[in-house]
Amino acid sequence: GENVEQHPSTLSVQEGDSAVIKCTYSDSASNYFPWYKQELGKGPQLIIDIRSNVGEKKDQRIAVTLNKTAKHFSLHITETQPEDSAVYFCAASIRNNDMRFGAGTRLTVKP
Amino acid sequence: EAGVVQSPRYKIIEKKQPVAFWCNPISGHNTLYWYRQNLGQGPELLIRYENEEAVDDSQLPKDRFSAERLKGVDSTLKIQPAELGDSAVYLCASSSGARNIQYFGAGTRLSVL
Repeated sequence: GENVEQHPSTLSVQEGDSAVIKCTYSDSASNYFPWYKQELGKGPQLIIDIRSNVGEKKDQRIAVTLNKTAKHFSLHITETQPEDSAVYFCAASIRNNDMRFGAGTRLTVKP
Repeated sequence: EAGVVQSPRYKIIEKKQPVAFWCNPISGHNTLYWYRQNLGQGPELLIRYENEEAVDDSQLPKDRFSAERLKGVDSTLKIQPAELGDSAVYLCASSSGARNIQYFGAGTRLSVL
């Protein structure tokens, strides 16, 4: 089955700096790669997603890149703000059904 | 529009006791998922429903876990009997449509003593 690895497990940045989180996946058939943000006491919330027919997608300060050949994808957050502090999860799936999550990255943005 | 609603938010039980979690998905969402999230880990799928049919329950420990989704709307996940290792957050998600984005509830935090 699919295996998703996520790095780093923790990330601390100064407000205004950029943050990058990286994930790799094992199943070349995976074609959907969402990123979720989870705040304390809440369920994961989708922040951006990308499908295998696209190499990059951007939404304001958030961008995701996908390298199908290398089977890795990354989340980029620019101009970080304290409210970006949370746990971020990457995931990979085929047709968004059997979704496998990474172990998460705890991002701390210091004011 | 209301999101995915789960109850209770917290549950503390002693081992060997039964426990049940309830989920009401977003209205109109025909796909419903139950996940387990251990501390410091990502969610892991337990079971997926398409309407009232369980189409993927390969990760559900069937000796003690059961689930149902009567009438294809809300769903219940049960554990009987609970073990210490069942302590986790149990998340429910729902999705619909071609894009099939999963929306998560806030989860139920289970502590087994």
